[in-house]
Amino acid sequence: DAGVIQSPRHEVTEMGQEVTLRCKPISGHDYLFWYRQTMMRGLELLIYFNNNVPIDDSGMPEDRFSAKMPNASFSTLKIQPSEPRDSAVYFCASSFGAGGSSYEQYFGPGTRLTVT
Amino acid sequence: AQSVAQPEDQVNVAEGNPLTVKCTYSVSGNPYLFWYVQYPNRGLQFLLKYITGDNLVKGSYGFEAEFNKSQTSFHLKKPSALVSDSALYFCAVREKINRLAFGKGNQVVVIP
Repeated sequence: DAGVIQSPRHEVTEMGQEVTLRCKPISGHDYLFWYRQTMMRGLELLIYFNNNVPIDDSGMPEDRFSAKMPNASFSTLKIQPSEPRDSAVYFCASSFGAGGSSYEQYFGPGTRLTVT
Repeated sequence: AQSVAQPEDQVNVAEGNPLTVKCTYSVSGNPYLFWYVQYPNRGLQFLLKYITGDNLVKGSYGFEAEFNKSQTSFHLKKPSALVSDSALYFCAVREKINRLAFGKGNQVVVIP
């Protein structure tokens, strides 16, 4: 398996623009997580899905952020409009939930977002 | 709230020496504890977990961790560090069902 795939790997955009981050989880995994990593705040969970359904979005910072999972092999995280404080590395992770294995999460390489 | 603390920002160790990365936890109920490692420009990788059973847990790359209930600790250890072990190490605890809370991370530097 290729692991969790994220695109793009790097994104530089201007304030006010829409940004879409993409994720393909590992085939067969039924949980998908979106995290944000910054020096100041560390690793934060934004939202996670189970069987394509959003379960907990309490970490989504504000209405500018939205996430979708239209099918088991694809998810997007959208920021509209983007702001400089959104600059961070965004990780997607997936796991298989049976027997508590959902905690063994497989992370993608991340998308480094810079908003100028 | 369930949480973990990693008291050190950076751990420096000479190659071949034992490596310890500290983690303490605060939970209500029985803890589910985890260690992850992040190499430069990569995502986190799962190393090991403690859910129940033996207090000494063995994981990937020769790492192990000891669960100590009386000290509420879950320190990560490796008997002989390698330069390739230089990375960022995260302790984590189950916060809610299917949800982890990560510590701030410890930078490990192994000096040749």
